[in-house]
Amino acid sequence: QSALTQPASVSGSPGQSITISCTGTSSDVGGFGHVSWYQQHPAKAPKLLIYDVTTRPSGVSDRFSGSKSDNTASLTISGLQAEDEALYYCSSYSSDGAPWVFGTGTTVTVL
Amino acid sequence: EVQLVQSGAEVKKPGESLKISCEGVGYNFTKFWIGWVRQMPGKSLEWMGIIYPGDSDTRYSPSFEGQVTISADKSISTTYLQWSSLKASDTAIYYCARLPSAAYNPYIYPFDYWGQGTLVTVSA
Repeated sequence: QSALTQPASVSGSPGQSITISCTGTSSDVGGFGHVSWYQQHPAKAPKLLIYDVTTRPSGVSDRFSGSKSDNTASLTISGLQAEDEALYYCSSYSSDGAPWVFGTGTTVTVL
Repeated sequence: EVQLVQSGAEVKKPGESLKISCEGVGYNFTKFWIGWVRQMPGKSLEWMGIIYPGDSDTRYSPSFEGQVTISADKSISTTYLQWSSLKASDTAIYYCARLPSAAYNPYIYPFDYWGQGTLVTVSA
């Protein structure tokens, strides 16, 4: 069972929108609607941003949105802010091996 | 307010044993699954296992089965992750995290609350 594939880094200027991709297989991302996204600031615990592909927990900014097409899920951050600089991980339910598989992680830099 | 409060950083030698803890605060500890997640230095997250404190039903990732033991003491709202013989490759930050479910198969749920992490360093 391999980790989900994310770009190592994505950057954008304040106010812009950026999108982070998360590519898996039909055994995980493509096969089920249970993709989550987490934000991790340096030396902090991960924070749940999105679950079930598109749902935001209470208290999460609506600047974060999720989507999915085939085997690739995406996280879009709109109106990029300095505080969005962090590591972002996707995760999916998987029917192959361990039921939770995480992505390789993406560092977001605000220019 | 829901909080998961983990025990402090540990420095151990190879071959030593270790037990780290995670206390659930602000919710009914026995009604939600708790998972353990490893983050090795500079690496991504790996799910290790989950436990349902209500009856101590425990499930392990195939990658960690036999390598660690997860347990819980519901009387003090605490779950544990332990090693009997540490290796240098166990050096990592270990997080506990809650699943918002009491379902028998909670695998479709995300981890909604996370502990602050426990850094375990194993070095001769």
